[in-house]
Amino acid sequence: GQQLNQSPQSMFIQEGEDVSMNCTSSSIFNTWLWYKQDPGEGPVLLIALYKAGELTSNGRLTAQFGITRKDSFLNISASIPSDVGIYFCAGYSNSGYALNFGKGTSLLVTP
Amino acid sequence: NAGVTQTPKFQVLKTGQSMTLQCAQDMNHNSMYWYRQDPGMGLRLIYYSASEGTTDKGEVPNGYNVSRLNKREFSLRLESAAPSQTSVYFCASSEWDRGNYGYTFGSGTRLTVV
Repeated sequence: GQQLNQSPQSMFIQEGEDVSMNCTSSSIFNTWLWYKQDPGEGPVLLIALYKAGELTSNGRLTAQFGITRKDSFLNISASIPSDVGIYFCAGYSNSGYALNFGKGTSLLVTP
Repeated sequence: NAGVTQTPKFQVLKTGQSMTLQCAQDMNHNSMYWYRQDPGMGLRLIYYSASEGTTDKGEVPNGYNVSRLNKREFSLRLESAAPSQTSVYFCASSEWDRGNYGYTFGSGTRLTVV
């Protein structure tokens, strides 16, 4: 599958801080997705992006589909303890069939 | 609506033993997938099934076989378990065969091979 580079690998922040993470690919993607995985559970879809330049929000979460179609960003504003988990970017390119996943960003939020 | 159901949730195997991981979805999705998750490696695709009656290899298929029993069920079999197969296994399904609506994941099977 296509390699997705997700950064940072981990973040340790205080409650109330904003968070930003990103994902890049060497190939063009036509779909970008962001998932969150709570401990002991499967990933759950947060935001889906289908067009270059698209900016989509879901509550305190905002994600953008990069203009080059090779990157995507996820921002979390005013973090709270329940934001703790692993965030995965995922993308789908025309040359592949199944979603490709990044290695994840582990987020820890202290009260 | 249960979504994607995986059984068992936990399993310990001895090296060389065989077992089948079960997955069923009740969303009438055409496509189903098996991933494994290892620390620092993210989610890696083992096998997928674009539709009932078809299966294809993913990124890490060695040591595994799959069966798409019907539209609802997609099983993963380990014929001779090895310690390298210790992992968390996730089944997922999607509406479109190209997954544009994203995947719905099960809660995982935690497998330890000793």
